[in-house]
Amino acid sequence: ETGVTQTPRHLVMGMTNKKSLKCEQHLGHNAMYWYKQSAKKPLELMFVYNFKEQTENNSVPSRFSPECPNSSHLFLHLHTLQPEDSALYLCASSQESRSDKYQETQYFGPGTRLLVL
Amino acid sequence: AQSVSQHNHHVILSEAASLELGCNYSYGGTVNLFWYVQYPGQHLQLLLKYFSGDPLVKGIKGFEAEFIKSKFSFNLRKPSVQWSDTAEYFCAVRGSQGNLIFGKGTKLSVKP
Repeated sequence: ETGVTQTPRHLVMGMTNKKSLKCEQHLGHNAMYWYKQSAKKPLELMFVYNFKEQTENNSVPSRFSPECPNSSHLFLHLHTLQPEDSALYLCASSQESRSDKYQETQYFGPGTRLLVL
Repeated sequence: AQSVSQHNHHVILSEAASLELGCNYSYGGTVNLFWYVQYPGQHLQLLLKYFSGDPLVKGIKGFEAEFIKSKFSFNLRKPSVQWSDTAEYFCAVRGSQGNLIFGKGTKLSVKP
């Protein structure tokens, strides 16, 4: 399954580091999502980009900064993270239409497992 | 607020046993419901989905789910599980912003 890829797959960083997570979708979709999966908690939506516009940030701390340069690529820039930000970060994509918004299935990448020391 | 509740954290079954995983959601509007599966070491994959129509939905690998509106439920079933069904199963409902709202997941372990 190579529809949605994420790099790196694993990342260890200190609290003062700056790093970026990358997501690329090869499905021709026009909406992309960042989710956070923490231990013993449900997946939480972080950001939605629909038609390259950010439509939801869900009160995410500013130390997480998304970037969507085109409909195939999505980045999550990380800086001055905290140990509690350690989690699996999942990217997803879907094909949404303006007239029938949010009706399509989301396809997930394998995730980046992040450890903040 | 919209939420999804999965009743079982960990289910252990022997091969050929029947499976039913519970899922309840809280959302008063039109619902889109999903079951995703995550096999060990793999990414989340769609198992089945309900948007409208027949409330009994059939998915891949012999799974099915029934949408019961009056009970706000979307339980997942399989008549006879296999060892290869060992995975974590997530129920989700689509939120008003297009995002998916997930339950905490149920780990299924199937003993050979």
